[in-house]
Order: sequence, then structure tokens, then C-alpha cells
Amino acid sequence: KQEVTQIPAALSVPEGENLVLNCSFTDSAIYNLQWFRQDPGKGLTSLLLIQSSQREQTSGRLNASLDKSSGRSTLYIAASQPGDSATYLCAVEGYSTLTFGKGTMLLVSP
Amino acid sequence: ETGVTQSPTHLIKTRGQQVTLRCSSQSGHNTVSWYQQALGQGPQFIFQYYREEENGRGNFPPRFSGLQFPNYSSELNVNALELDDSALYLCASSTLAGVNSYNEQFFGPGTRLTVL
Repeated sequence: KQEVTQIPAALSVPEGENLVLNCSFTDSAIYNLQWFRQDPGKGLTSLLLIQSSQREQTSGRLNASLDKSSGRSTLYIAASQPGDSATYLCAVEGYSTLTFGKGTMLLVSP
Repeated sequence: ETGVTQSPTHLIKTRGQQVTLRCSSQSGHNTVSWYQQALGQGPQFIFQYYREEENGRGNFPPRFSGLQFPNYSSELNVNALELDDSALYLCASSTLAGVNSYNEQFFGPGTRLTVL
């Protein structure tokens, strides 16, 4: 059974800092990995999707890497802003399903 | 292009009742998945439908059932509601990318279900 762990569970940083969110998974037989953002009480917004054959993806200030063999992914956020405050979820795709971690709750203070 | 929509936004039910939640897929998508997200947890996979057929199911009892319609919209039905069914229910739509693999999943805003 696939298990996804995200560290840290919560993170508080001042505006402007670069930060790294970590995700690990137990079964390396995945099709892809996706990072999502979730604002309180809202649905999920897809940030980045990395195919299993890829090593990283970039979108603006966000960069996600994938090391499938070691079961790890990182989400790097450059020059953080208060608007980045949200919960970030990592999910791995297996057969017809996404398995999610519990998320990292990020607070960026002005 | 219309995104994924869900209705209703919020719902309050009592134990033992039945509920139906609805989801409209993003235009061009033929696959819909349903997830349950309890407070403080990541979403848990309930089931997936591809072209009106169930195409995978998570660890949820049979009182959780679904339908997908020819226009690829979907319903999630929950019978005999329990207090622990209180959660945010999310649906996601996508298209088939390859055998057993799907393109990026796009999520709706969710339905907040409270069971009293």
C-alpha cells in the first residue's frame, strides 16, 4: 500500500525567504507526482505535475524535483510572499488513483 | 473552457439519511474521481469512473456509490450516513494519458458535508 509523508507538517517564514517542502513515498512504481495548493476550506489547485520519467518541473517561482528511485520529491518556493500562505499537498499517481500526503501548512508573514 | 464544478457547496444531514453530491467535469475530460478529505487530513480516494464504468475503488464501504453520465458528469451517493462521513468531498476530472495513467487531474471546489 502506497504511503505518502510530507515534512514539515507546518512552516512559518518571513516574506522573501526561499523554502523547501519535502514529500516521500513508499512505492516507487508511480506514473507521476503532483503538487497541489489548498486554501482553507477550498478545493485543490494543481501547481506542478512531474511525469515518472522526468526529474523536475518549473513554474514561475516554483520548482519541483522527483527522485523516483529513492521515493522523494521536493517543492522549492523562491522569494516567498504572503499570498503563498496555504496548505501544500503532494500526491503520487498509481493505478487510477492519487495517494495524498497530509500536507504542509505554510504561513508567510509580511 | 469551463472548470470542474460541484454542487451543493454545503450540506447538513443527520445520521442515517442519504445524500447525493454532484460534479460536472471539465470540458473534454472523460474520467472523474471522488475523494473524501477529513479535517486536517489529505484527500482519500473513494472511486473513479471512466466512460460511465467504475475504474477503481478505494477502501470505502458499499454504501458509497457513484454514477457517471454520458456527458461525463457524475454523482456520489452515500447511504446510511454516519458522523464520520462529515468531510469535504472533492471530485477531479482528467483524461486518459496511457494505459492505467491519467493526465493532470483538475479538482472542483468541493462539497462540505456535515452529519449531525
